[in-house]
Amino acid sequence: AQSVTQLDSHVSVSEGTPVLLRCNYSSSYSPSLFWYVQHPNKGLQLLLKYTSAATLVKGINGFEAEFKKSETSFHLTKPSAHMSDAAEYFCVVNSGNKLVFGAGTILRVKS
Amino acid sequence: ETGVTQTPRHLVMGMTNKKSLKCEQHLGHNAMYWYKQSAKKPLELMFVYSLEERVENNSVPSRFSPECPNSSHLFLHLHTLQPEDSALYLCASSQDLGSRGWYEQYFGPGTRLTVT
Repeated sequence: AQSVTQLDSHVSVSEGTPVLLRCNYSSSYSPSLFWYVQHPNKGLQLLLKYTSAATLVKGINGFEAEFKKSETSFHLTKPSAHMSDAAEYFCVVNSGNKLVFGAGTILRVKS
Repeated sequence: ETGVTQTPRHLVMGMTNKKSLKCEQHLGHNAMYWYKQSAKKPLELMFVYSLEERVENNSVPSRFSPECPNSSHLFLHLHTLQPEDSALYLCASSQDLGSRGWYEQYFGPGTRLTVT
């Protein structure tokens, strides 16, 4: 069965500093991987997806993620955090026709 | 309206009430989903519909009853709920199911349900 582990439940950064949200996955075949973001009292919004094309995936709002098969990782990064990035982020892997969600990482951005 | 819409956005109901949640997608997608999001728990998939046929029922109690009258609309009928059913209920849609999950899902804003 496919699964994802988000290694940090909370991450705190200062505005203007880099963001790193870590995700490891487990999959018996070449997976599709996604990052979603959820702002307070909102639904989930797709940030980016990996579907076996380029291993470095660029998403919206300056986020990107790199698929590393050898490390079974799909970490999300952004060079410079903005206050509006404060939200909860979910790493997601496909499992057949279903998505399996990680537990989420809450990103706090300090001014 | 664009994307995926859900009504109502907030709902408070007693344990003996009957209510329904509505989801509508304006994306021309063929698959729709209901999720439950509880505090401090991973997102839980409840139901999956493809072309109005239910293809997944994730051991959800019968007090939750889904209905998909067409590929644009999805309902979740609620009756005799318990306080632990209080949660954010999210609807999503995708172009198709896809055997390898290639298709990303687009989410609505959710209905915040409180059972008293």
